[in-house]
Amino acid sequence: AQSVTQLDSHVSVSEGTPVLLRCNYSSSYSPSLFWYVQHPNKGLQLLLKYTSAATLVKGINGFEAEFKKSETSFHLTKPSAHMSDAAEYFCVVSRPYNNNDMRFGAGTRLTVKP
Amino acid sequence: NAGVTQTPKFQVLKTGQSMTLQCAQDMNHNSMYWYRQDPGMGLRLIYYSASEGTTDKGEVPNGYNVSRLNKREFSLRLESAAPSQTSVYFCAGRQASSGNTIYFGEGSWLTVV
Repeated sequence: AQSVTQLDSHVSVSEGTPVLLRCNYSSSYSPSLFWYVQHPNKGLQLLLKYTSAATLVKGINGFEAEFKKSETSFHLTKPSAHMSDAAEYFCVVSRPYNNNDMRFGAGTRLTVKP
Repeated sequence: NAGVTQTPKFQVLKTGQSMTLQCAQDMNHNSMYWYRQDPGMGLRLIYYSASEGTTDKGEVPNGYNVSRLNKREFSLRLESAAPSQTSVYFCAGRQASSGNTIYFGEGSWLTVV
């Protein structure tokens, strides 16, 4: 069994300040982990993924995430928020090489203030 | 290269009506999926098709049927729509050679009144 908990339903930051979106996972396997972003009225776009290689994963648009097995966490960070980062972010866990059993977190809505 | 395309984008149904959501992909995905998205619940898998000719239930299959017409197309049917099926529906596809990344369509907003 596997599951994901996104610890914040809403995060608000000022433009130019760091972003931290928190995700904890539970999995009976060595998981694959993903972050997706969803802009309003759009589909989900992959930001980055962890599949048992380097624990610090770099994604698009300056985002990165670190896999910490001891803490069962996969938090998403960005050094400096941009207005265009305002969106909904989803943390996702799946079994390795078996994405037919992907489990999504409830989502974190990121607001960026000018 | 359109990726994953789903139609219609918006639909309003009356309770008891039937409809089919269409999905097509041009990325040579073996696996295709239908998800629903509801506020505060993330995405939940309705059905998936691991390959042409096969379909399997996901987390919330009740009230839905699917058909994998060919490798490109995977449709979702509501035989008798209910207000509880008001949701945003996403089709997605996956190819193992892409590192198991799943690619999503832009969504279909369905309201059942």
